[in-house]
Formats: sequence, C-alpha cells, structure tokens
Amino acid sequence: NAGVTQTPKFQVLKTGQSMTLQCAQDMNHEYMSWYRQDPGMGLRLIHYSVGAGITDQGEVPNGYNVSRSTTEDFPLRLLSAAPSQTSVYFCASRLKRSPLHFGNGTRLTVT
Amino acid sequence: KNQVEQSPQSLIILEGKNCTLQCNYTVSPFSNLRWYKQDTGRGPVSLTIMTFSENTKSNGRYTATLDADTKQSSLHITASQLSDSASYICVVSAGNSGNTPLVFGKGTRLSVIA
Repeated sequence: NAGVTQTPKFQVLKTGQSMTLQCAQDMNHEYMSWYRQDPGMGLRLIHYSVGAGITDQGEVPNGYNVSRSTTEDFPLRLLSAAPSQTSVYFCASRLKRSPLHFGNGTRLTVT
Repeated sequence: KNQVEQSPQSLIILEGKNCTLQCNYTVSPFSNLRWYKQDTGRGPVSLTIMTFSENTKSNGRYTATLDADTKQSSLHITASQLSDSASYICVVSAGNSGNTPLVFGKGTRLSVIA
C-alpha cells in the first residue's frame, strides 16, 4: 500500500496564479482532510470530507476549494494564490476513531 | 475555547538520556488523546492513543500518560536515540461521534545530539 500520496512535493507560484494540490489514498478511508502547517502555528484544518460527494470547511478555508468525486482522491485548489498561502500542506485520511494517516506534504511558496 | 498547549517548545538532549514532553488540554467533551511524531520533511505518524480510562500506555521506548482530572498528558522517551529527533505533536479529539473535531498542539521540537 502506498498510503497517502501527495503531489507535487514542491511548488512555486506567482501571486494570482491558480493550482491544484493532488492527494490520493489507497486505504479505502472515508474521511480525508487538508491541513496547512506554518512555523509556530501548528496544523490547521482547511477542508475535510467524510465521504465521496461530501465536503465541509475547516478552520481556515478562505482561498481554497475542494471536491470529492471518488473515495480515493481529494484535490485542493488554490483559486488565486497569495503570499499568505505560503506554507506546507498536508493531506490526511482515516477510518472512524482511527489515527490520521498523513502524506509527506507539499511545500508551496507564493512570490 | 478548545485548546492544546505543549511544553517545552524545543528541547535538546544527549543521546542515551531520557526526556518528558508535556501536553495540557482544555477540550470538552474529551474523547481521546494521541501523540504523533513528525520527522523533518515528513507527515506526522501516530505513536499512541490515550482514552479517558487509560493512565499509561507504552510503545517501545515511548510511554504516554494521561491524567483526565488535571487534563494533562506526558510523553516519556527512554534511552533516546538520534532517530528520536523530531517534532512531537499532541492531538485531542473532542466529542463522541466518529469524525469529531481534532485539536492540535503546536508541537515540541526534540533534538537528540551525540
């Protein structure tokens, strides 16, 4: 099993550009989520999904969109990148009452 | 407001020594508490879970404790190794349903030096 796979590992964007961070899991987990991790802030929830076709906002959703058309995939879209979105992004999945399984992150820089 | 506070922010110890990391939480209703280890450049990995009725749980050289009365947890690392250098994150689950909110601490950065 590959677990949770995130692509790309690194990305540099200019302000105003859009892009999609990809996340796929092969563990048949219903729950998937996106976090951002900034120095001194800890992990903050952006969006999450409890199953295909269902998404909801987390703590810091502004500037991001998600969709969940399949159980396996949960892409995160940046609509118009801003320097404040420079961060490391983690995708995670889990079964109910089980630990989160994290990908290895996408390091995004917006100039 | 649900919060998780970890201390110290960072810690440097010599290889072979023991250390203890602290986690204080104000989360209600409490469901469980997990410790995660995050190596540099990687995603966090679960080390252990503590439920309301558990006081102590070990995973190799890692021992977690929970005092539900004082709302404190600790992670004790015995005979530290260079590979223990990482951030350790305390995460508390609030509520009783399957997909309850998770409250993350900011982590303790541990450096083990030779």
